[in-house]
Amino acid sequence: NAGVMQNPRHLVRRRGQEARLRCSPMKGHSHVYWYRQLPEEGLKFMVYLQKENIIDESGMPKERFSAEFPKEGPSILRIQQVVRGDSAAYFCASSAGAGMNTGELFFGEGSRLTVL
Amino acid sequence: GDSVTQMEGPVTLSEEAFLTINCTYTATGYPSLFWYVQYPGEGLQLLLKATKADDKGSNKGFEATYRKETTSFHLEKGSVQVSDSAVYFCALKINDYKLSFGAGTTVTVRA
Repeated sequence: NAGVMQNPRHLVRRRGQEARLRCSPMKGHSHVYWYRQLPEEGLKFMVYLQKENIIDESGMPKERFSAEFPKEGPSILRIQQVVRGDSAAYFCASSAGAGMNTGELFFGEGSRLTVL
Repeated sequence: GDSVTQMEGPVTLSEEAFLTINCTYTATGYPSLFWYVQYPGEGLQLLLKATKADDKGSNKGFEATYRKETTSFHLEKGSVQVSDSAVYFCALKINDYKLSFGAGTTVTVRA
């Protein structure tokens, strides 16, 4: 049973470009969460999505960042006009039900974004 | 807000040595506490957890006790192996899907 798959593992962008990070949840999971780890810091919650719905985006920066989880296909975290401060590791997690009440969150390996 | 602070790394040990990674928390109540581990090339996975004060979580020879007196949840293992080389994250449950993580401690065990 494949785990949470994230790609790309490493992404390099120049300032002003767009970054798209993809996350395929574990089979049978319909709840996806994105976390960000800035250098020297812990992972911080960004957004919680179900299929076609954003449940909680309280951790998302107000501008340039967006996330979706379409009916078909992976969840996408999109960062427009990247800046150097966006350089971080972005982790995706999934669960079968809503949050940890129904089990644990399963995390992917993370996608490391470097902005030059 | 609620948060955790964990020992900075990296930590390098010899096989069969004793490992302790310190983690302290700041919280208004008594939230569930977790240790996650990330092995090379893999995602974070739950190592152990404790849901209330004085609980002890254990798994794969690792233990951590939820101590409200010292607001701590230190991770310990009596005899580490090379296969324990990984990054260890302490985390605190804010709600059902929000965890507050520490910065992670990289542990390298040498044969």
